[in-house]
Amino acid sequence: GAGVSQSPSNKVTEKGKDVELRCDPISGHTALYWYRQSLGQGLEFLIYFQGNSAPDKSGLPSDRFSAERTGGSVSTLTIQRTQQEDSAVYLCASSNRRSGGELFFGEGSRLTVL
Amino acid sequence: GQQLNQSPQSMFIQEGEDVSMNCTSSSIFNTWLWYKQDPGEGPVLLIALYKAGELTSNGRLTAQFGITRKDSFLNISASIPSDVGIYFCAAPQTSGSRLTFGEGTQLTVNP
Repeated sequence: GAGVSQSPSNKVTEKGKDVELRCDPISGHTALYWYRQSLGQGLEFLIYFQGNSAPDKSGLPSDRFSAERTGGSVSTLTIQRTQQEDSAVYLCASSNRRSGGELFFGEGSRLTVL
Repeated sequence: GQQLNQSPQSMFIQEGEDVSMNCTSSSIFNTWLWYKQDPGEGPVLLIALYKAGELTSNGRLTAQFGITRKDSFLNISASIPSDVGIYFCAAPQTSGSRLTFGEGTQLTVNP
C-alpha cells in the first residue's frame, strides 16, 4: 500500500507475556518513529530510526521495550513481560526528512494487557 | 526535553462556529506543525509552518507561526461535524531526531 502499515491492529495479551508489533513504513522513507498514545493522552515518543545511524532510544520507558529496523525498512517493537500500564495505542510513523518534519502515521496497534 | 503546552484540552461547539486553539513553549522552534487525529486513526498533517510570523491557510483552517517562535495557533472557521477529532501541535526537537507533540485539543462539534 501507499501508506504506513501496522500490524496487528489489535492485540490482547496476558500480563507477563511478550508482544511484537510490526510497522511497514512508506517506501523510500528513511526515518521511522514509534510513539505511544495512552487513552486520552498525547503522543509519547519512544524511538527513532534514521537510515543507518544509531537509533535514538531515549524515549523507551524501560528495558522491557526494544525495537529494531531490518534492512532500513520494516520495524518491530517488542515489549517483554508486559504490564497493564503498557496498554496503549502504539503508533508508527515514517518520514523522508532527516530533521523530523512531516510524519506520516499508521493507524496504530492497540495493545491491551489483562 | 522541550515541552509544548496546548490549550484548550477540549472544546464543545455548535456547527458553524469558529474555533481557535494554541500551543506555547518556553523553547524556540524553527518549525510548527498541526495534526488531526480521527477516532481509531493515526494523526494526519494539516498544516506545516516553517517561518516566524508565517500565516498559512488550508481551506477553513488557518495557522500562524508566532513571531517569537515560541507559539502557534490554529483556527477553524465555520466548523462542520467532520471537524470532530483531536488536534495536536508538534515541533521538532532542536536535536532534530524527534517530533514533540502537545497534549492535544479534543474538539466536539454538535450539529
